[in-house]
Amino acid sequence: RKEVEQDPGPFNVPEGATVAFNCTYSNSASQSFFWYRQDCRKEPKLLMSVYSSGNEDGRFTAQLNRASQYISLLIRDSKLSDSATYLCVVRIYNQGGKLIFGQGTELSVKP
Amino acid sequence: ETGVTQSPTHLIKTRGQQVTLRCSSQSGHNTVSWYQQALGQGPQFIFQYYREEENGRGNFPPRFSGLQFPNYSSELNVNALELDDSALYLCASSSTSGDGETQYFGPGTRLLVL
Repeated sequence: RKEVEQDPGPFNVPEGATVAFNCTYSNSASQSFFWYRQDCRKEPKLLMSVYSSGNEDGRFTAQLNRASQYISLLIRDSKLSDSATYLCVVRIYNQGGKLIFGQGTELSVKP
Repeated sequence: ETGVTQSPTHLIKTRGQQVTLRCSSQSGHNTVSWYQQALGQGPQFIFQYYREEENGRGNFPPRFSGLQFPNYSSELNVNALELDDSALYLCASSSTSGDGETQYFGPGTRLLVL
């Protein structure tokens, strides 16, 4: 079983749609959680950290459920510029800088 | 831009050859992590260097090795290249090796092994 698993995708949605990405992780010692965005043939960039209380940044909302070991990302009012691959990322306690990535979910927003 | 640079941007090698990839960390950062990203997959952790010492290693064979220099730049060396080594190699720098530090990725080196 992979340490971090995401919806397989791709997701094809019209502009203005709301889209949700799901992610599960297997290691209960996981401490920190993130969503990264990766544009085609570019490096991953931090989109947002995910906190237990849930957090929002504009059109983006991230949720964490530690009991279910589940992370989500909701994008409201999708824009063409949101088209990218979204990577769910976990950091295990006391393993320093090792980031564990899911395989990514591709999003394509169409006009 | 993150200030993390990598060279070369693209590289073509043949099976059995050796390759060296380079990474310059962001100013003020003393930690560099290396990741391998195969097509259609998320990045996988290779190893991390903190103040010139290896500080954690992923599930990669010994033919993957690295160095960090006094200026905190880093090299990734891969010996005896295999076809499956074809991937995007990413380095990421952070200000320390601690659990809470954000990692900033460079643009990557695309390696193709024929």
